[in-house]
Amino acid sequence: SSELAQDPAVSVALGQTVRITCQGDSLRTYYASWYQQKPGQSPALVIYDKNIRPSGIPDRFSGSSSGNTASLTITGAQAADEADYYCNSRDTGGNSWVFGGGTRLTVL
Amino acid sequence: QVQLVQSGAEVKNPGASVKVSCKASGYTFTSHWIHWVRQAPGQGLEWMGVINANDGTVIYAQKFQGRVTLTRDVSTSTLYMELSSLRSEDTAVYYCARDHSNSNCWWFDPWGQGTLVSVSS
Repeated sequence: SSELAQDPAVSVALGQTVRITCQGDSLRTYYASWYQQKPGQSPALVIYDKNIRPSGIPDRFSGSSSGNTASLTITGAQAADEADYYCNSRDTGGNSWVFGGGTRLTVL
Repeated sequence: QVQLVQSGAEVKNPGASVKVSCKASGYTFTSHWIHWVRQAPGQGLEWMGVINANDGTVIYAQKFQGRVTLTRDVSTSTLYMELSSLRSEDTAVYYCARDHSNSNCWWFDPWGQGTLVSVSS
């Protein structure tokens, strides 16, 4: 089975841009989806497919992909963006799905 | 609006089983697969399995094969996740989430509110 690797923690100054990455072999075949989770809440979808935001997700969130790496970029980070972020993809074997270990974003 | 509403918190002894429900509303129940994901305290998300709400086809994560059973009741639009032979490491919040996909991507939206399962003697 494949794995998805994320940096455990990232910080960004208020109003600056931050990129959260996710690496894995399955990302050469499939696009990742990205989830934001705030303390005590369920995960919420923020980006999926090439770069699609669900309704209600601010346009400062964007996604991209190259080779085996998917990225979630927040342009002009806000205090409200402080959360854990998880990537997800279907396994290249086709019979499972996998989450990255998560990245804790701190907005300074 | 689309909603997944899960059953309440459970406390179980080691070796017991737990069955968590997830009631779907706001969409055609049989048109989506439903995933189950768990999160141990302070840990990340872990995919457990998925069920086709239309025909009951299931795919389980290898880690949980033989211990987890996903079922659904079309008449009540409810999905179930049963985990057996519980141990302390199974203490976690369990989520259901609706599947969407195209040819190149799968995504989960929305998610249920989560069900805390505590395993302790």
